[in-house]
Amino acid sequence: GQQVMQIPQYQHVQEGEDFTTYCNSSTTLSNIQWYKQRPGGHPVFLIQLVKSGEVKKQKRLTFQFGEAKKNSSLHITATQTTDVGTYFCAGGYQKVTFGTGTKLQVIP
Amino acid sequence: DAGVTQSPTHLIKTRGQQVTLRCSPKSGHDTVSWYQQALGQGPQFIFQYYEEEERQRGNFPDRFSGHQFPNYSSELNVNALLLGDSALYLCASSSERTKREKLFFGSGTQLSVL
Repeated sequence: GQQVMQIPQYQHVQEGEDFTTYCNSSTTLSNIQWYKQRPGGHPVFLIQLVKSGEVKKQKRLTFQFGEAKKNSSLHITATQTTDVGTYFCAGGYQKVTFGTGTKLQVIP
Repeated sequence: DAGVTQSPTHLIKTRGQQVTLRCSPKSGHDTVSWYQQALGQGPQFIFQYYEEEERQRGNFPDRFSGHQFPNYSSELNVNALLLGDSALYLCASSSERTKREKLFFGSGTQLSVL
């Protein structure tokens, strides 16, 4: 079955530093979504990418979908303490498969 | 506009018991997916219901079953509970008519099996 892996598993950064998480799928994805889960919370939808090579920005967050539609990345510029949480990529149609997640800790 | 609601929020059961979890989707949504999230892991897809039928199923045993009602709400049933079933169970709703892959999650039910 489809597997979606993310690296790194954990990342500690100093506030103001940049952060990037990478997502790799074992199969081609029709779309990629990104979710954020705060500690003790539930996943919250951030964005969806559909086209090969697509890049989308949300303020300090930049999302990329690979040319082969098998990988994606999320880059946060100048992290803030509010960015703390676990970031998941997810892909698939109907059966949306979540990645393993990257837990981000921001040190003030 | 109510979001996705799940009940109960917490549940404690013993091995071998049965449990039923409930979910009401976001207003306007017609599709419900259930996920199991173990501590420190990503959500694992259990199944998806649409038009009162199970449309997709993940790699979970038959002890996990579900139902969707005409008002689009859904139940997840787990029989013969095992210690390993302890997890956060998340319900997510979406719309088949619009952005169907965009999932809205409820706050989850924390199930502990003793």
